[in-house]
Amino acid sequence: ETGVTQTPRHLVMGMTNKKSLKCEQHLGHNAMYWYKQSAKKPLELMFVYNFKEQTENNSVPSRFSPECPNSSHLFLHLHTLQPEDSALYLCASSQRSGTSNGIPYNEQFFGPGTRLTVL
Amino acid sequence: EDKVVQSPLSLVVHEGDTVTLNCSYEVTNFRSLLWYKQEKKAPTFLFMLTSSGIEKKSGRLSSILDKKELFSILNITATQTGDSAVYLCAVEGGSKLTFGKGITLSVRP
Repeated sequence: ETGVTQTPRHLVMGMTNKKSLKCEQHLGHNAMYWYKQSAKKPLELMFVYNFKEQTENNSVPSRFSPECPNSSHLFLHLHTLQPEDSALYLCASSQRSGTSNGIPYNEQFFGPGTRLTVL
Repeated sequence: EDKVVQSPLSLVVHEGDTVTLNCSYEVTNFRSLLWYKQEKKAPTFLFMLTSSGIEKKSGRLSSILDKKELFSILNITATQTGDSAVYLCAVEGGSKLTFGKGITLSVRP
C-alpha cells in the first residue's frame, strides 16, 4: 500500500458512456498526477495539479476532463471515449517543496491504477 | 521533441548475476533523471539523479548519471527473482516528464 488509492480498479465502458475515475491520497501531499499507460508504449503524463491548480495538460483530448476539488482527491471524467483510450490509468501524488518552481517527481507515490476498456 | 531510449528492451538472467540497464536521453532544459521499478501495476520510485558522476546506491541497486554523454545506468548486483520487473527511466526537461518504454528484467532461479 502506497497511501494512494484508485477506484474502480477495472472499468468497461461503451463509447457513449460517461464515467469517472477517482484517486485519493492519504499522504498529505499537495501535488497529484494522472498518467496513461498503454500496452507497449511509454508511460504518458496527462495532467498535473499543484495545490489544486492544474499546471500541466500534455495535449490530452478534451474527452478527458480532470477535476481536483481538494489536495487529497483527483478525478478523471471520461466521456465519448474511443477504443484506443483503453489503457491503465495511474494516479500519483507527491509533496511539492517550498518555493521550488519544479515538480518533485522523485517523491511520487503511485496508486494501483484503473484498467479501462472501451468497447 | 524530448526522447528517452532504454536498452535492452528485455533481459533474462539467472539469480546471482549482475545486470546493467541503460537509459539515454535528449531533452531540453534537463532537470533530473528518475528510475522506477514497476511490478504488476504501480511504479515505485528508485532513484533521482541530477548531478553527473555521483553514484546513488540503495542495497544491491545503484545508479549514475553522465550529463555530458546524456545517459544513465542502473546496476543490480546479485540479482534475485524478486528483481523481476519492468524498469522505467524518466527524464524531466523543463516541467515535462518523458518516460522510456521500459526494460523487462526476468531473473530465473
